Amino acid sequence: DIVMTQAPLSLSVTPGQPASISCKSSQSLLHNNGKTFVYWFLQKPGQPPQLLIYELSKRFSGVPDRFSGSGSGTDFTLKISRVEAEDVGVYYCMQNIRPPPTFGGGTKVEI
Amino acid sequence: QVQLVQSGVEVKKPGASVKVSCKTSGYTLSGYYMNWVRQAPGQGLEWMGWISPDSGGTNYAQKFQDRVTMTRDTSTSTAYMELRSLRSDDTAVYYCARNWAFDSWGQGTLVTVSS
Repeated sequence: DIVMTQAPLSLSVTPGQPASISCKSSQSLLHNNGKTFVYWFLQKPGQPPQLLIYELSKRFSGVPDRFSGSGSGTDFTLKISRVEAEDVGVYYCMQNIRPPPTFGGGTKVEI
Repeated sequence: QVQLVQSGVEVKKPGASVKVSCKTSGYTLSGYYMNWVRQAPGQGLEWMGWISPDSGGTNYAQKFQDRVTMTRDTSTSTAYMELRSLRSDDTAVYYCARNWAFDSWGQGTLVTVSS
C-alpha cells in the first residue's frame, strides 16, 4: 500500500497569515495519463471530511481560492494564503492512483 | 444538490453484525462508485472498500475482506455496508463517500461495539 506522510502534526496559525501543510507519498502519484492523484480534505470538528483539492491542484466546487494545492511526484503541499477562523480542523491528504486509497495521518490546524 | 444521508447510531455486542445504509439524492446512484471509510475515536481515516453501483462489483480492503459486504439498491438509491463479527476495535464512525474523489460524504454513523 502507498503510505502518505503528513507534516506537521499540528499547526497554530494567526488569522490573515499563510499556512502550509506537507504530504509525502511512498510512491509516485503521477499517472501515465498526466494526472496526479492526490487529494486534500478538511474535517471540521464534528463533521465529515470535505473535499478541498482534487488531482493535485484543482479546487472543488465552492472551495475558496485561498486554498491551493501543488507539488509533483511524491511531494505535495496544501497552502492557505490567508487563514480564516473557519479553516480550523484536521487536514488530510489522500492518494487514489491505485487501490487501496490511503490517507495521511492528518494535520490539526488551530487558531 | 448531492446528499448522502446515513442511518443512525448503532450499539452492538462483540460478535454481532451491523448494516449501515447511505441514501443518496441529487444524482443517479448508478453513475458513481461509493466508498466506505471509517474513523475510530480520535483517529484518522481508513478506507474499507467501494462498490460499483451499476454492476454491483466490489473492491474491499484486505483487512476487511472476510468480514464486510457492500451492496446497493438502485431502486431506492441506497448503498449498504455490512460488517460482521464485530470487535471492540470496530467502534468507529462509518462514512459513505462518493466517487474516486470522495467528493461528497454522508454525515457518518457511529457504531459502538461493547459488551
